[in-house]
Amino acid sequence: NAGVTQTPKFRVLKTGQSMTLLCAQDMNHEYMYWYRQDPGMGLRLIHYSVGEGTTAKGEVPDGYNVSRLKKQNFLLGLESAAPSQTSVYFCASSYREFEQYFGPGTRLTVT
Amino acid sequence: LAKTTQPISMDSYEGQEVNITCSHNNIATNDYITWYQQFPSQGPRFIIQGYKTKVTNEVASLFIPADRKSSTLSLPRVSLSDTAVYYCLVGAGTNAGKSTFGDGTTLTVKP
Repeated sequence: NAGVTQTPKFRVLKTGQSMTLLCAQDMNHEYMYWYRQDPGMGLRLIHYSVGEGTTAKGEVPDGYNVSRLKKQNFLLGLESAAPSQTSVYFCASSYREFEQYFGPGTRLTVT
Repeated sequence: LAKTTQPISMDSYEGQEVNITCSHNNIATNDYITWYQQFPSQGPRFIIQGYKTKVTNEVASLFIPADRKSSTLSLPRVSLSDTAVYYCLVGAGTNAGKSTFGDGTTLTVKP
């Protein structure tokens, strides 16, 4: 089992560019989450999904969009990147409300 | 949001028991309490989860009083490798949009 994988691991964008982060899990989990973590701070929930085809906003959804077309994948999109979106992005999945399994993170820098 | 409050940092010595308390005054009836450990440049890792009273596993214990407005993570006989940031999370699952990790507690274990 690979668990939760994230692609890419690192990325540098210029302001205004767009990109998509891919999260994949092989544990057949219903729930998936996208978080961002700024230096020295905790994780903040961006968007989450409780099943294929459904998504919902978390604490800090502005500037991001998500899609869950397949149960095993959860995509996070940035349509027009801004320096304020420089952060480490973590994806996680869980079976219902139980423990979340996290990916290794994507380090994004927007210049 | 199910906001949580934890001490910013704690110091301990190898072999001691460490107790980290988290306050969550606005916990909802169906919220679980979950604790995670995070090392630098890694995603959080599940430690323990509970709903009420006491839960124990091979690495930690979780104490939750009857009113569930706080919880205490207990780490027995810590070692240097337990130096990390510890987060409590209230909610997740179908309450994911109402939950937040907070800024965590940085535990430093000294020899």
